[in-house]
Amino acid sequence: DQQVKQNSPSLSVQEGRISILNCDYTNSMFDYFLWYKKYPAEGPTFLISISSIKDKNEDGRFTVFLNKSAKHLSLHIVPSQPGDSAVYFCAAGSGDSNYQLIWGAGTKLIIKP
Amino acid sequence: NAGVTQTPKFQVLKTGQSMTLQCAQDMNHNSMYWYRQDPGMGLRLIYYSASEGTTDKGEVPNGYNVSRLNKREFSLRLESAAPSQTSVYFCASSIIQAANYGYTFGSGTRLTVV
Repeated sequence: DQQVKQNSPSLSVQEGRISILNCDYTNSMFDYFLWYKKYPAEGPTFLISISSIKDKNEDGRFTVFLNKSAKHLSLHIVPSQPGDSAVYFCAAGSGDSNYQLIWGAGTKLIIKP
Repeated sequence: NAGVTQTPKFQVLKTGQSMTLQCAQDMNHNSMYWYRQDPGMGLRLIYYSASEGTTDKGEVPNGYNVSRLNKREFSLRLESAAPSQTSVYFCASSIIQAANYGYTFGSGTRLTVV
């Protein structure tokens, strides 16, 4: 049973346009959510997070939106740049689960020049 | 450069062989983690160490053992490797065991068991 799902294995976006990556979850006990970015042959790097008490968090070109009623979060990248081409992982956790993160399978983002 | 260092980067084992994956961090982090990543799946937690002197099982601990040697080092041991353990292994660390702070990951070990 996948508690965190990223239903799009890949996404292709034109440079300069908006990239929207989606993530759905099933466990209503999750109280924080994170996005990580991963380049080939490297480990994931932390990008941005959001607490369940918020519905939006912004950091430069990156914004994460949380819709708790729909159990859905999304990562918006505006404008998209070639260096954004990577695999993006959504992860979720809660204090009840001893802060262990549950990860989605990832979405490969390709930015076209 | 500060961060998490994993060795080796690549390894091929025969079924039944044993090996230890090494991980060291120089950020004075308290918590350390071992994950595996398989194609089409998210990262899955094998073991973690919330602080020096403690270790706990994660989601997929079977076939593995860990040692928190000191605050800096956290090793993962495969006693008798099986083809199902073919995977990419990532070590990570965080200031405390509160993942909303964000983890720092190593670059991974690609393990193939034949």
